[in-house]
Amino acid sequence: DSGVTQTPKHLITATGQRVTLRCSPRSGDLSVYWYQQSLDQGLQFLIQYYNGEERAKGNILERFSAQQFPDLHSELNLSSLELGDSALYFCASSVGMGQGTEQYFGPGTRLTVT
Amino acid sequence: AQSVTQPDIHITVSEGASLELRCNYSYGATPYLFWYVQSPGQGLQLLLKYFSGDTLVQGIKGFEAEFKRSQSSFNLRKPSVHWSDAAEYFCAVDDYKLSFGAGTTVTVRA
Repeated sequence: DSGVTQTPKHLITATGQRVTLRCSPRSGDLSVYWYQQSLDQGLQFLIQYYNGEERAKGNILERFSAQQFPDLHSELNLSSLELGDSALYFCASSVGMGQGTEQYFGPGTRLTVT
Repeated sequence: AQSVTQPDIHITVSEGASLELRCNYSYGATPYLFWYVQSPGQGLQLLLKYFSGDTLVQGIKGFEAEFKRSQSSFNLRKPSVHWSDAAEYFCAVDDYKLSFGAGTTVTVRA
């Protein structure tokens, strides 16, 4: 158990809908990262927050957004969902935000868009 | 851009045999390299990391990896595989964000 929690574990929804994925980082960690794992794209970095501020952006679609709250938990919002958004979404956390910082991953949320 | 390549999609190994997973990186400076393991239905667990210094790094679960700058490689090894090592293994390079390889699935046969 990494100490990173993600809810829900599974999510099934229809195209065009909007969902929110939640992540609670390990105690003491200030950075939160979001990744998407799909069969065709592999594991891709989406976005990073550090202590409430966006710090880095990867291949995140405009339909997706995220935020980190004062209690450091984070939410990833996915809207206007398409079939291709079906994937495993991971959250990771770390103490700092510098290069080489160890990231600890949660168990993931499996999103299925029908 | 920084990237890693894992040439082997799938490896099958007998229990008790040695295992080596290949990883090649593309990075201008000294890379920060990681190996992660993902068991079925689980998140990613950090096995080991390389930043600088000793080119042979030890990790958890009996794994080690060797950094070879001349070959741009960071291969993962285990001397004797256990059935519980069946999983997917990812190499990653850190350039302020992790870029993962495509992963290598390891099957362990009895």
